[in-house]
Amino acid sequence: DAGVTQSPTHLIKTRGQQVTLRCSPKSGHDTVSWYQQALGQGPQFIFQYYEEEERQRGNFPDRFSGHQFPNYSSELNVNALLLGDSALYLCASSLGYPPQPQHFGDGTRLSIL
Amino acid sequence: KQEVTQIPAALSVPEGENLVLNCSFTDSAIYNLQWFRQDPGKGLTSLLLIQSSQREQTSGRLNASLDKSSGRSTLYIAASQPGDSATYLCAVLMDSNYQLIWGAGTKLIIKP
Repeated sequence: DAGVTQSPTHLIKTRGQQVTLRCSPKSGHDTVSWYQQALGQGPQFIFQYYEEEERQRGNFPDRFSGHQFPNYSSELNVNALLLGDSALYLCASSLGYPPQPQHFGDGTRLSIL
Repeated sequence: KQEVTQIPAALSVPEGENLVLNCSFTDSAIYNLQWFRQDPGKGLTSLLLIQSSQREQTSGRLNASLDKSSGRSTLYIAASQPGDSATYLCAVLMDSNYQLIWGAGTKLIIKP
């Protein structure tokens, strides 16, 4: 039973570039949530998708956007990258709504130079 | 605005000791509370989930309690082992918008 998988594992970009991160939910799960975790801090909620719609959004600028596909996989896009976007990006999946419990992938480590 | 605080930020104890990690939150309108473990550079592993109507949950050497009215939760680890070394985070799922709000974590080191 595959858990939550995220790709790529690591990514290095420069300021101003754009990036796309991908997440495949655990088998049978239909809700995907994205989080940003800066070093030494707890995760911050970015947004959440259910039934291919963005259901909730945290306090992140419009440079952060996402999408959920019919197979429930999801993408996180970040435009005009800033140094402060360097972080571990975590995806979590769950079954139904409310989204609990949430199962996490190992994350994508994004470094901005 | 919900704020989740974890104390202490770091803890180092000898192997075999029992220990308690604390989590407090300012808004009691929560759906549930979860405790997670995070190993360095890794994702999050769920340890225990307590629904808002529950008082505690147990799994092996772990016991988590919830006092929603006072905005507090504790994670009790019995007979600690070096393999328990990790960062422990608590998170609350808000009733109003189903967002998961996190504490900054407690970094636990168990010395052999």
